[in-house]
Amino acid sequence: DTAVSQTPKYLVTQMGNDKSIKCEQNLGHDTMYWYKQDSKKFLKIMFSYNNKELIINETVPNRFSPKSPDKAHLNLHINSLELGDSAVYFCASSQARTGTQYFGPGTRLTVL
Amino acid sequence: GENVEQHPSTLSVQEGDSAVIKCTYSDSASNYFPWYKQELGKRPQLIIDIRSNVGEKKDQRIAVTLNKTAKHFSLHITETQPEDSAVYFCAARSNDYKLSFGAGTTVTVRA
Repeated sequence: DTAVSQTPKYLVTQMGNDKSIKCEQNLGHDTMYWYKQDSKKFLKIMFSYNNKELIINETVPNRFSPKSPDKAHLNLHINSLELGDSAVYFCASSQARTGTQYFGPGTRLTVL
Repeated sequence: GENVEQHPSTLSVQEGDSAVIKCTYSDSASNYFPWYKQELGKRPQLIIDIRSNVGEKKDQRIAVTLNKTAKHFSLHITETQPEDSAVYFCAARSNDYKLSFGAGTTVTVRA
């Protein structure tokens, strides 16, 4: 299936831990994104990469570090997890910065 | 940056009736306006989009209108069906290439 995929789907962890979420797309797109959806369903952009170059870096704590090893992958590493980091994290991709964005299935992160 | 406001936050309609969701945006340079549908526990999925050089676009039971002067755009769903029940998000993209989302509208279609 051509799609945007994310792993894991669910992530439950203790405060203070470090965790990573992985994203892969096989749509041949060159731009990828991370969004955070909070408990009120609000969707907010965190980061975006175009051809492995960081192009959007919103006001996000520096505990969050994205990494794009190639155009098809964008990972998100989170250090020293806090309760407020609990949310659903969506990866998305598009062809160019102006293309339609297609979302992955989301990763529900719960910090205890 | 861009600020998108979306109304109403919840909408309940009788099956077969129409549903209208309205959004306003702040940045006159915004030029792309997608609408996403998100079912419970699922990913947001694009249902229709419109660019600033077009005033209206229709796809079967779904239509979007854009008023650039007033900086608002609307989603119209006709002949609603139970499967239209979901959260709908409008968004606007400006010159910084960021997609700014509205807060969402929870639509419930009553059978």
